[in-house]
Amino acid sequence: AQKITQTQPGMFVQEKEAVTLDCTYDTSDPSYGLFWYKQPSSGEMIFLIYQGSYDQQNATEGRYSLNFQKARKSANLVISASQLGDSAMYFCAMREGLTGNTGKLIFGQGTTLQVKP
Amino acid sequence: KAGVTQTPRYLIKTRGQQVTLSCSPISGHRSVSWYQQTPGQGLQFLFEYFSETQRNKGNFPGRFSGRQFSNSRSEMNVSTLELGDSALYLCASSIQGQGFVYEQYFGPGTRLTVT
Repeated sequence: AQKITQTQPGMFVQEKEAVTLDCTYDTSDPSYGLFWYKQPSSGEMIFLIYQGSYDQQNATEGRYSLNFQKARKSANLVISASQLGDSAMYFCAMREGLTGNTGKLIFGQGTTLQVKP
Repeated sequence: KAGVTQTPRYLIKTRGQQVTLSCSPISGHRSVSWYQQTPGQGLQFLFEYFSETQRNKGNFPGRFSGRQFSNSRSEMNVSTLELGDSALYLCASSIQGQGFVYEQYFGPGTRLTVT
């Protein structure tokens, strides 16, 4: 069964420093997509970055990068130059299949990130 | 382009009542998914609609149901509310299509409190 594990319930980082949020996954499907979302206290889920299982390079989006290690089944999110506005809950999610035939996402338990000034 | 909208944003109901939540996806998006978020269970997939048909369903009792209209707007209904149904209900839309995985865009959620 597909599963997402985020082992860090809470993290602290100093402003302007980089931080890595861990995510491991389990699936028997060779085709899958991995997502990271940010959820501020307002509740809305904000899409950050996506990595497909066949993508050769790690995904990057501005200050966000995804450290994808397929053999280890890990998809860690790296936030560079942290800002106070990065304080939020972060969720790792997975969708099995790459053809867009399903919108079902499986989410991890989330990691609360607090950025210190 | 307008984002995903959900109405109402907040709702208070009593046990045994029923409730209907609404979601309007981003223009052009045909897939709408619903999720329930609670502190104890986290984010759980409820169901997904694509072109007015339920395409996927999570492990929730039959009290939870939904539908999608021809304009892609979706509603979810919870009948005979229980205290445990108190949660943030999130709706997400995506384009969906063959050959690509499209990210889902979430709405602000409806916070349901059952007393």
